[in-house]
Amino acid sequence: GDSVTQMEGPVTLSEEAFLTINCTYTATGYPSLFWYVQYPGEGLQLLLKATKADDKGSNKGFEATYRKETTSFHLEKGSVQVSDSAVYFCALRNNQFYFGTGTSLTVIP
Amino acid sequence: SQTIHQWPATLVQPVGSPLSLECTVEGTSNPNLYWYRQAAGRGLQLLFYSVGIGQISSEVPQNLSASRPQDRQFILSSKKLLLSDSGFYLCAGGVGTSGRGNEQFFGPGTRLTVL
Repeated sequence: GDSVTQMEGPVTLSEEAFLTINCTYTATGYPSLFWYVQYPGEGLQLLLKATKADDKGSNKGFEATYRKETTSFHLEKGSVQVSDSAVYFCALRNNQFYFGTGTSLTVIP
Repeated sequence: SQTIHQWPATLVQPVGSPLSLECTVEGTSNPNLYWYRQAAGRGLQLLFYSVGIGQISSEVPQNLSASRPQDRQFILSSKKLLLSDSGFYLCAGGVGTSGRGNEQFFGPGTRLTVL
């Protein structure tokens, strides 16, 4: 069945460091791919999405490219800030939504 | 834009007491609706989803139940809470399968502590 696998956390980075959170998926057909962010004590917010191969989703300095050949959708940011500290979820949609287990990011000043 | 409202925001209940969590949706009609639970430090566990009024699918058998009495209302209930029911409960909505790229949108969550 369809599934999403994302890198284990927690991840701790210094401010202005480069961020990569890996996400790979297993799915039939052509799913849409998403990254969500969850700040402490809040619900999930959509961060970015891509609906077809080679699409690049971007928002707030974050980027992810839909790579069908490697079935990946890795999240990247060139320079993280303390305010980026949160839990990040990778997700896919075919007929249903499937979420990864989440990766906790802490950015220290 | 679509908005999900949930209440209460926090709840502390004794073991064996009943539960009712409510979720309402604004800004869209006939959404698919979902209840998730998130245990501390864990990912999302899909509990129930609904594609329409009175239509509920259960993903995980347990002492929880869900109902959808109106198009934009989704209720999570229990007759007798267990300690293991503690967690962060999230309601989410999504447009039907005709919109492949449409995302799920989430409410702010309810923090439930069972003592």
